[in-house]
Amino acid sequence: ELKVEQNPLFLSMQEGKNYTIYCNYSTTSDRLYWYRQDPGKSLESLFVLLSNGAVKQEGRLMASLDTKARLSTLHITAAVHDLSATYFCAAYAGSYQLTFGKGTKLSVIP
Amino acid sequence: SAVISQKPSRDICQRGTSLTIQCQVDSQVTMMFWYRQQPGQSLTLIATANQGSEATYESGFVIDKFPISRPNLTFSTLTVSNMSPEDSSIYLCSVINRAGTDTQYFGPGTRLTVL
Repeated sequence: ELKVEQNPLFLSMQEGKNYTIYCNYSTTSDRLYWYRQDPGKSLESLFVLLSNGAVKQEGRLMASLDTKARLSTLHITAAVHDLSATYFCAAYAGSYQLTFGKGTKLSVIP
Repeated sequence: SAVISQKPSRDICQRGTSLTIQCQVDSQVTMMFWYRQQPGQSLTLIATANQGSEATYESGFVIDKFPISRPNLTFSTLTVSNMSPEDSSIYLCSVINRAGTDTQYFGPGTRLTVL
């Protein structure tokens, strides 16, 4: 059974700082997804990582995938308040199904 | 990406009653799924809604409690039956449009409170 672990679960960071969220998964998976969820809202797709070594960047967020280590990272550069949200990673479990991590609640403070 | 709507957006229901949630997509999609997100928690897959046939349920979810229909490629319903306070959650439908990455796009969710 595929399990996905994210850490940290809670992250409070100052504006302008950098930080990384980690996503480990337990068995082989060839795709990794990152989503953002704002309070009271649905999930917004951020990144899809399809192969080992894949790196994608959008604004201050950069995601990478190491399938050999079963690890994906979401790196935040020079955080701003607008990035405050909960970030979920999800690993592909086969049959078009995703297994989600518990989410990382990010608060960016002035 | 597809535009997904859900009805109702929220509801407060009494114990023992049932609620049907609708998910409508603006274009035909290959796959539709139903998830549950309990307060402050992650998402758990309930079932895959199969067009024209019975849904495929995940471990811990059964058809009698969560009957699902998918009559065509743009619409699905999830019923939460004989509700108890433990069913209070956000219920989300998601779709895949087979755009190559098989990205799942999520509807806005239905926030259910059971008293």
